[in-house]
Amino acid sequence: DAKTTQPPSMDCAEGRAANLPCNHSTISGNEYVYWYRQIHSQGPQYIIHGLKNNETNEMASLIITEDRKSSTLILPHATLRDTAVYYCIVHSGGGADGLTFGKGTHLIIQP
Amino acid sequence: DTGVSQDPRHKITKRGQNVTFRCDPISEHNRLYWYRQTLGQGPEFLTYFQNEAQLEKSRLLSDRFSAERPKGSFSTLEIQRTEQGDSAMYLCASSATGWGNQPQHFGDGTRLSIL
Repeated sequence: DAKTTQPPSMDCAEGRAANLPCNHSTISGNEYVYWYRQIHSQGPQYIIHGLKNNETNEMASLIITEDRKSSTLILPHATLRDTAVYYCIVHSGGGADGLTFGKGTHLIIQP
Repeated sequence: DTGVSQDPRHKITKRGQNVTFRCDPISEHNRLYWYRQTLGQGPEFLTYFQNEAQLEKSRLLSDRFSAERPKGSFSTLEIQRTEQGDSAMYLCASSATGWGNQPQHFGDGTRLSIL
């Protein structure tokens, strides 16, 4: 799987949009971009994934650049419960093998 | 949908003892994964099952580790002759097969502490 680069930490004010960037310049054509988050003492929680089109669900939006070398996860109205480590993962289609996690971005929502 | 369930949530044992963890995947998911996570790091992949067949093993899975998934339902991960370095969170995930790329859904893990 291609490597991803994320900032180690970010702050965001409660109620504002949180925009988390991810670089994946070596992504190949059949690899999806996945986002997970992990709150302390819990397992990773799936948020969203996409191939090349922008995606939106009830939790977040995923914006993938046209060249697919980077993406942004957007939490539209951050709450204190969104404080977590966010992982951006690139994973090949089919999904029949393990995910490669990096160190992620520790997002802290400030009251 | 009850989610992925892992038991026990915490396990404390003495070095040299054997331990076994259980994972119950989401009921219709035929793929099951085990990961290990140490403090401050992201999860690391250990092994993967499609139904009852173990199809992939990481080099992290030493010969003291064994995983099974009888009948393609729940899975167990056993660690024999535990060592201090085995202290970690052990996570299980499951996913479905089908069109598109099916995401893995994780349980809340078993935290293992070796005394």
